[in-house]
Amino acid sequence: DAGVTQSPTHLIKTRGQQVTLRCSPKSGHDTVSWYQQALGQGPQFIFQYYEEEERQRGNFPDRFSGHQFPNYSSELNVNALLLGDSALYLCASSLVRGARPYEQYFGPGTRLTVT
Amino acid sequence: GQNIDQPTEMTATEGAIVQINCTYQTSGFNGLFWYQQHAGEAPTFLSYNVLDGLEEKGRFSSFLSRSKGYSYLLLKELQMKDSASYLCAVRGYTGRRALTFGSGTRLQVQP
Repeated sequence: DAGVTQSPTHLIKTRGQQVTLRCSPKSGHDTVSWYQQALGQGPQFIFQYYEEEERQRGNFPDRFSGHQFPNYSSELNVNALLLGDSALYLCASSLVRGARPYEQYFGPGTRLTVT
Repeated sequence: GQNIDQPTEMTATEGAIVQINCTYQTSGFNGLFWYQQHAGEAPTFLSYNVLDGLEEKGRFSSFLSRSKGYSYLLLKELQMKDSASYLCAVRGYTGRRALTFGSGTRLQVQP
C-alpha cells in the first residue's frame, strides 16, 4: 500500500521564478492538503482540495495556487517566488469517510530553496 | 482564529518520563492531534483526542481538557529514538481535516 508521495525531493529556484510541486495521495484517499513548514516552525496550512475543488484556504497570497486531478493527485504552484518562500512543502492526504477519517498522512515533503 | 502554544525545547534522560504541554485558543474545536517529526522527515501521527480524558497507546499517552484549552503528550520509558520535534495541532469546525499546528517542541533525549 503506497503512502503519500511527493516530487521533487529538493528544488532550487531563483527569486521571481515559478515552481510546481506534485503530490500523490495514499491509495484510497480523496482529500489533499498542502502545508508550508519553515525551518524550526510547525506546518502552516495553505489549502485543501476535495473533488477537484479548493475547499479551504489558509492565509497565503494568490501567488499560491493548486489543482487536483480526477485521480486525486494534486499540484501546488507558486508564482513570483520570494526568498521567504524557501521552506519544506508538505502534502497530506485523508479520506472523508472511513474508519479513521480524522487521520492525515503526510508525504516526505519537497524542500524548496529560493536564491 | 486559532493560537497554539507549546514549549520550544525540552531535554530528558533515557528511561525517564516526559510531559509536553500544549495550550490552544480556537474559534471552534473538532479534535487535537499530536505528531512526531524527526529532522528532515514528514510528521507522523501519534494521537487524536476529541473528548476530555486520557488516551493511551503503548509508551505514548495524550490528555485533553476542552474547558481549559489544554493538552499534554506523555512519553514513558524514553528511548534515544524519541529525540524529535513533537507537534500539537488543532482542527476547527470549518474545513475538511485542515489542521492548525503549533511551532513544535524539540525533545532531546540524553543517555
